[in-house]
Amino acid sequence: GEDVEQSLFLSVREGDSSVINCTYTDSSSTYLYWYKQEPGAGLQLLTYIFSNMDMKQDQRLTVLLNKKDKHLSLRIADTQTGDSAIYFCAETLNTGGFKTIFGAGTRLFVKA
Amino acid sequence: AAGVIQSPRHLIKEKRETATLKCYPIPRHDTVYWYQQGPGQDPQFLISFYEKMQSDKGSIPDRFSAQQFSDYHSELNMSSLELGDSALYFCASSLFRAGEIDEQFFGPGTRLTVL
Repeated sequence: GEDVEQSLFLSVREGDSSVINCTYTDSSSTYLYWYKQEPGAGLQLLTYIFSNMDMKQDQRLTVLLNKKDKHLSLRIADTQTGDSAIYFCAETLNTGGFKTIFGAGTRLFVKA
Repeated sequence: AAGVIQSPRHLIKEKRETATLKCYPIPRHDTVYWYQQGPGQDPQFLISFYEKMQSDKGSIPDRFSAQQFSDYHSELNMSSLELGDSALYFCASSLFRAGEIDEQFFGPGTRLTVL
């Protein structure tokens, strides 16, 4: 089946690291993504990882992929108040077409 | 840089009316996706088009139809609107390149309110 699951809320203090976790069920995933959505705004692609990689680092963002456990995480170092948003985990499935499945989103609260 | 354009940005309709949402992809992008995001919900994939042909279909109701035109813009037609159709409708576009990431660029969304 096609399912992406995330915890719904995360609260951290400014300057700490945030770790947002995601699990997925479909082993035919090709790419896995993290999107950021600020209130009332559209979706912004933050970073992505190909399914045969296990780690990717991009400035303050680190993505870890455990393909065996179908677990994806996003670590944000030195979290700032501007990082407060909803973070969606998503996967693109190899269905022969183009289909992306989103998780429910994790709302990150950053306390000053 | 040009982004994905959606129109209208806001739309108010009554039950049983019809609505047409438009999406203009980033120039040279050949793939368009439609998503529906209900209040407090994650985006749900509706349908996608590649080179004017439907490439995949998600949870799109039979009351909805969509197409991609020769200039690559896409329209989502919604008939017999129901209260539950009230949502933010996102369009995204991408450029298909074999073996590379399908990076979707999202438009600002059309907020549809059905009264």
